[in-house]
Amino acid sequence: DAKTTQPPSMDCAEGRAANLPCNHSTISGNEYVYWYRQIHSQGPQYIIHGLKNNETNEMASLIITEDRKSSTLILPHATLRDTAVYYCIVSLLGAGNNRKLIWGLGTSLAVNP
Amino acid sequence: DAGITQSPRHKVTETGTPVTLRCHQTENHRYMYWYRQDPGHGLRLIHYSYGVKDTDKGEVSDGYSVSRSKTEDFLLTLESATSSQTSVYFCAISESAGGMSPLHFGNGTRLTVT
Repeated sequence: DAKTTQPPSMDCAEGRAANLPCNHSTISGNEYVYWYRQIHSQGPQYIIHGLKNNETNEMASLIITEDRKSSTLILPHATLRDTAVYYCIVSLLGAGNNRKLIWGLGTSLAVNP
Repeated sequence: DAGITQSPRHKVTETGTPVTLRCHQTENHRYMYWYRQDPGHGLRLIHYSYGVKDTDKGEVSDGYSVSRSKTEDFLLTLESATSSQTSVYFCAISESAGGMSPLHFGNGTRLTVT
């Protein structure tokens, strides 16, 4: 079972900020939060990740609550090209070399003109 | 974009035939992964490799084998294809297994088993 919970779909107006929430209430102290997105028929694309602190890169910002039980991915000025499925994932450290990522079904974001 | 090439991009094959999918990377990353993606399911890990000739099973490994004889190539073989293996297959790479290292994905192989 996925260890994160996301709304199945969201809409956003072009040019506005898109705020995608994610709950990961059972996250442990050494687990990172990752965000990926998948545009139809392409491979997932890495967006951003964080452990405790808020993070920002050229694509997005990641806000992690102080208790680390939830996070929000922010696309500051959404464009039509940001229409995609967005996955929030907790990176589990398995035994040995296996880092297991549990993928849920993500949030389907539609950016509307 | 990370230098990951999957081949073929599309394949149709018959039940019972062996099929090999190839993943080639130019990033010299140590870790490589094969996932499958099906409607109603998240990405599921089939096999992964943590170095040349070092591989291990993921959560849905039955009916699949892998080989990695060079850093840059990771092969996925369906020993005897079945209709349940109709799926989109993604290869991914990462520099390390640790939480700091993101996965980078190829653009997938769409396999249809008739």
